[in-house]
Amino acid sequence: DVKVTQSSRYLVKRTGEKVFLECVQDMDHENMFWYRQDPGLGLRLIYFSYDVKMKEKGDIPEGYSVSREKKERFSLILESASTNQTSMYLCASSTPGTLETQYFGPGTRLLVL
Amino acid sequence: EDKVVQSPLSLVVHEGDTVTLNCSYEVTNFRSLLWYKQEKKAPTFLFMLTSSGIEKKSGRLSSILDKKELFSILNITATQTGDSAIYLCAGTGTASKLTFGTGTRLQVTL
Repeated sequence: DVKVTQSSRYLVKRTGEKVFLECVQDMDHENMFWYRQDPGLGLRLIYFSYDVKMKEKGDIPEGYSVSREKKERFSLILESASTNQTSMYLCASSTPGTLETQYFGPGTRLLVL
Repeated sequence: EDKVVQSPLSLVVHEGDTVTLNCSYEVTNFRSLLWYKQEKKAPTFLFMLTSSGIEKKSGRLSSILDKKELFSILNITATQTGDSAIYLCAGTGTASKLTFGTGTRLQVTL
């Protein structure tokens, strides 16, 4: 059974803190993605990765960085959290090919005070 | 810039009604359109459509793609309260990226 897990379901951080969100998939997928989801804006792509140590900016990368040291793990880093980064963060993974489908983790709801 | 637009934004129906959710897209090098259902947490996959005019069906849910007019619809017949969710539409183009719409929030009441 397909499984994508995220390290925390809920996080509360203070402005200026460094925040790490971890995502692990057990499907040997090459592609991994980080999205944020906000009311009225839908899911927006922050960063994605095709392979270990490879990363590409998505639509809204500002204020974020990522790390992919192992195939199964993709980390999202908020270098200095700000209140406008309060959001639901969703990780997904997929296998590249003509007809790939993304599988999502349960999400991390981050509140930055 | 790729764009996916869903309508309506939200919808309230009575149990037993049939609903149609709309999704239009402008995606460079379009490859497929995906529908997801999101209840309280992670979106779960419903359908992937790649060919025009071929209906995909799963129980009371069905979906079809029109690549000429650049839209897709998701139909739900005989709705149940368990169908209440946000329905997300997304298009894939280059580089395995998904561009999502804002979603349609469906509420099914008794």
